[in-house]
Amino acid sequence: QEQLVESGGGVVQPGGSLRLSCAASGFTFNTNGMHWVRQAPGKGLEWVTFIAYDENNKNYADSVKGRFTISRDNSKNTLSLQMNSLRAEDTAVYYCAKGGPAAGGDAFDIWGQGAMVTVSS
Amino acid sequence: QSALTQPRSVSGSPGQSVTISCTGTSSDVGGFFLVSWYQQHPGKAPKLMLYDVSTRPSGVPDRFSGSKSGNTASLTISGLQAEDEADYYCCSYAGSYTYVFGPGTKVTVL
Repeated sequence: QEQLVESGGGVVQPGGSLRLSCAASGFTFNTNGMHWVRQAPGKGLEWVTFIAYDENNKNYADSVKGRFTISRDNSKNTLSLQMNSLRAEDTAVYYCAKGGPAAGGDAFDIWGQGAMVTVSS
Repeated sequence: QSALTQPRSVSGSPGQSVTISCTGTSSDVGGFFLVSWYQQHPGKAPKLMLYDVSTRPSGVPDRFSGSKSGNTASLTISGLQAEDEADYYCCSYAGSYTYVFGPGTKVTVL
């Protein structure tokens, strides 16, 4: 079945860096846009970033622009999120999500279990 | 990228109907028929309930329905059941490959 599994979460000091990965299986990864969505403890969902199936289009929430970089490796069915200059307010569960199910892919139809990122000294 | 507006909470008795509103602007909700809704139970990942305003993915009960008028989208749960108690989030495409969520609405089954 369609599945997304995140890894790479952990505790990092303010100003530090962390890289999240998301392994996809059960669907044709290289034909779908992918997203990262985060949820701070006790808070709501926040869309973070999108990457098109062919990497030709990407965009970021204003809150992370210039600090986070999304990428993908279609040969390995893997999505990544490089997070630099981390701040306390970046503390959250980070979900990778598949764009779908309509052809435009403007919803998030498959979600991973989430990876916790804690930014603290 | 301003968040959409949702009521903090709604409640209803089993069998009743509840409606959650999601208000944005002409740059997001009003500008596209690309509103989606997510159900999230505590400690779980969100689950897609509706997309493209009113389309249900396979497996989602037809008790869940959606609509949109102007800058406001709505999710209606008919025949409320105990397992519907959860947080519900709306999300809209906002142009240029960006998306915006609402703050979430807690649905309580009395």
